[in-house]
Amino acid sequence: GAGVSQSPSNKVTEKGKDVELRCDPISGHTALYWYRQRLGQGLEFLIYFQGNSAPDKSGLPSDRFSAERTGESVSTLTIQRTQQEDSAVYLCASRLTGGTEAFFGQGTRLTVV
Amino acid sequence: ELKVEQNPLFLSMQEGKNYTIYCNYSTTSDRLYWYRQDPGKSLESLFVLLSNGAVKQEGRLMASLDTKARLSTLHITAAVHDLSATYFCAVVISSTPLVFGKGTRLSVIA
Repeated sequence: GAGVSQSPSNKVTEKGKDVELRCDPISGHTALYWYRQRLGQGLEFLIYFQGNSAPDKSGLPSDRFSAERTGESVSTLTIQRTQQEDSAVYLCASRLTGGTEAFFGQGTRLTVV
Repeated sequence: ELKVEQNPLFLSMQEGKNYTIYCNYSTTSDRLYWYRQDPGKSLESLFVLLSNGAVKQEGRLMASLDTKARLSTLHITAAVHDLSATYFCAVVISSTPLVFGKGTRLSVIA
């Protein structure tokens, strides 16, 4: 596709359920980032994939959060046993190695009730 | 640890006026980004600044970078209502994630 695609665009889940968020980066982009943005707040780094290197997981807030990426394709962010504080917009971005611009998807708005 | 600070965090300005948003960062970086975010929307890339003295302009917005001072500015000329949004700067070192400032919420009023 032409841009970074995220799905679903909106997700409402019950507290304690697991959710999986998907990110399709721009084709050929080796770098992929996940960020969380709470209402009215800035962007909080979660995890970063760069090619075949080990991902930088330093931003994951707890062991309930995990993410995977197969090669240079789709990434999934999984949140287990969701809590109300997980409610936020989850943004994915991708960038071409050696490239400069990082392009963001439209985000997934997660609401935990 | 790379830290990025923006100021002001909130800015209300009259149409037709000029103003500057500042972005300071704590360590030498490779690239500096400016993004715009409209309410309920994702981030739109405005500028990427790569080198000391870099200046880029698009319409009423002009961004500059001083790597020695570790400072970037986003200057708004003759503001119009359509510029109302939140503006973020973000900084990268080598192969690290983008580190964002907290954003500047700009409101342009008549």
